[in-house]
Amino acid sequence: IVLTQSPDFKSVTPKEKVTITCRASQSVGINLHWYQQKPDQSPKLVIKYASQSFSGVPSRFSGSGSGTDFTLTINSLEAEDAATYYCHQTSSLPTTFGGGTKVQIK
Amino acid sequence: EVQLVESGGGLVQPGRSLRLSCAASGFTFDDYAIHWVRQAPGKGLEWVSGISWNSGSIGYADSVKGRFTISRDNAKSSLYLQMNSLRVEDTAFYYCAKSWTGYYKDGVDYWGQGTLVTVSS
Repeated sequence: IVLTQSPDFKSVTPKEKVTITCRASQSVGINLHWYQQKPDQSPKLVIKYASQSFSGVPSRFSGSGSGTDFTLTINSLEAEDAATYYCHQTSSLPTTFGGGTKVQIK
Repeated sequence: EVQLVESGGGLVQPGRSLRLSCAASGFTFDDYAIHWVRQAPGKGLEWVSGISWNSGSIGYADSVKGRFTISRDNAKSSLYLQMNSLRVEDTAFYYCAKSWTGYYKDGVDYWGQGTLVTVSS
């Protein structure tokens, strides 16, 4: 299953709302998860099963979608949110990742 | 606190072998599946291999099938990746990553810091 993220890159100002999309080449149900990777760090889980926030993740992060179209939303972006965000499907083996969306702070 | 610490990376010539290890702590190791996920420098994430809690179910990406072997030692809370016939395109950071269930088909909730494997002559 191919996951296509858009946009590839987004430059945003603090407090702006950010929306990242992930489209699957076939239905993955809600088996779609989101990770945040800051420079020189390993990825961290943000959202599991399309919309469930992971423990400790700020409430400004939310996810939605099912089937083939998914969205990660960051409300009121903070400087610490500068990172690359990846979607990941576990509906079908091999599990696959999207190409990533880099979010930069203006 | 969940900790996953990879080791064993380094510079190796094409065609040679390398064995990666991952030492886990902070959780009941034998309850969870574990994965290897790699990331070429400056590139995206690629799932490499996964192993269920009891080693009963194992999977590999097509790109490494027949060359890499994943294994685990629950008594030592350790995961391994034996990499044979290495290619230049295997150059990447290799992350050990814990699944949130005992089955490797499920997602990952914690990642190690990664170990760099460089395949070059």
